[in-house]
Amino acid sequence: KQEVTQIPAALSVPEGENLVLNCSFTDSAIYNLQWFRQDPGKGLTSLLLIQSSQREQTSGRLNASLDKSSGRSTLYIAASQPGDSATYLCAAFTGGGNKLTFGTGTQLKVEL
Amino acid sequence: EAGVAQSPRYKIIEKRQSVAFWCNPISGHATLYWYQQILGQGPKLLIQFQNNGVVDDSQLPKDRFSAERLKGVDSTLKIQPAKLEDSAVYLCASGVVLNTEAFFGQGTRLTVV
Repeated sequence: KQEVTQIPAALSVPEGENLVLNCSFTDSAIYNLQWFRQDPGKGLTSLLLIQSSQREQTSGRLNASLDKSSGRSTLYIAASQPGDSATYLCAAFTGGGNKLTFGTGTQLKVEL
Repeated sequence: EAGVAQSPRYKIIEKRQSVAFWCNPISGHATLYWYQQILGQGPKLLIQFQNNGVVDDSQLPKDRFSAERLKGVDSTLKIQPAKLEDSAVYLCASGVVLNTEAFFGQGTRLTVV
């Protein structure tokens, strides 16, 4: 059974700082890994999808990496802004691609 | 491109009542998911459809929850009877096929009192 863990559970940084969010998964036989953003009271917004054959994906100030052998993915946010404040969730596609399993999220606060 | 549509956005019911949620996925998306997200936790998969067939419903409490996806498009999720612990946000998502990028709706926040 796939288990996804995100550390830290909460993070507070000053504006402008570069930061890394961590995601670990127990079953390395994943197909894809997806990072999401969730604002309070809202649904999930897809940020990046990394396919199993890829090692990283970039979108603007975001860069996500994937290391299947170690069971880890990281989301790097450059030059953080207050508007980046949200909960960030990672999710892994496993079990033949059938099951999308989520971590518990990292709640990020970027302060002025 | 229109996103995943869910309704209602909010619902408050008393325990033992029934409730239904509706989801309209992105046009052309074959895969549809229903997730339950309890406050402070990550989303938990309830049921997954591929077209109008069920792929995974292993975590669906079948004594009280049911879901259907007629004609492989819209889907409804029903709870009958509701319990206090069903208070959560119910999220619907869709994808082109299995294993591809999932897109989520705004969710329905259910409060059972």
